Amino acid sequence: SQTIHQWPATLVQPVGSPLSLECTVEGTSNPNLYWYRQAAGRGLQLLFYSVGIGQISSEVPQNLSASRPQDRQFILSSKKLLLSDSGFYLCARSTGQVADTQYFGPGTRLTVL
Amino acid sequence: GNSVTQMEGPVTLSEEAFLTINCTYTATGYPSLFWYVQYPGEGLQLLLKATKADDKGSNKGFEATYRKETTSFHLEKGSVQVSDSAVYFCALSDRQMDNNDMRFGAGTRLTVKP
Repeated sequence: SQTIHQWPATLVQPVGSPLSLECTVEGTSNPNLYWYRQAAGRGLQLLFYSVGIGQISSEVPQNLSASRPQDRQFILSSKKLLLSDSGFYLCARSTGQVADTQYFGPGTRLTVL
Repeated sequence: GNSVTQMEGPVTLSEEAFLTINCTYTATGYPSLFWYVQYPGEGLQLLLKATKADDKGSNKGFEATYRKETTSFHLEKGSVQVSDSAVYFCALSDRQMDNNDMRFGAGTRLTVKP
């Protein structure tokens, strides 16, 4: 089966601290990978997507960055967190075929204090 | 550009009531349409999808029909249960989008009371 893992599940960080969220995918090769953020009570905002190792596209300019060091690993980072970075972060994958379904991981709840 | 508009919530229903959550879309190409469900504290799960006009997606008693003439993909269920309480997202993925990007609606929160 194709599984998406996200780590950690929850995180509380002070303003100005660094961030690293990890997403790993099992059971598929060369997936498209995505990072979304869901603010409290709101819809999904696409942050980054990747079609391959080292290939990152940013949808929204901000203090976050993403990297894909391995085919099945997608990392979301920040050097200095802001209060507005609080939210539910979701990693998703697709096969990359046109109009294909995206499948989501369990998410990471980030609270910045 | 491509976008999805769905019915604002929250929606509160009694158990066994009929559910409709409206969704309309704007697309430049030939989109596939999706409904996702998000239970509290969890990620999104694919509920159903339709890839071309007049297709009907169905799963767990939920249905939605791809209506090109009205650019709609309304979600329906004949008899809701308490366990259906969740947030529902309508989404589209357009074949003309290079990165297989998806556009999501804002989500509709459904609460079903016993």
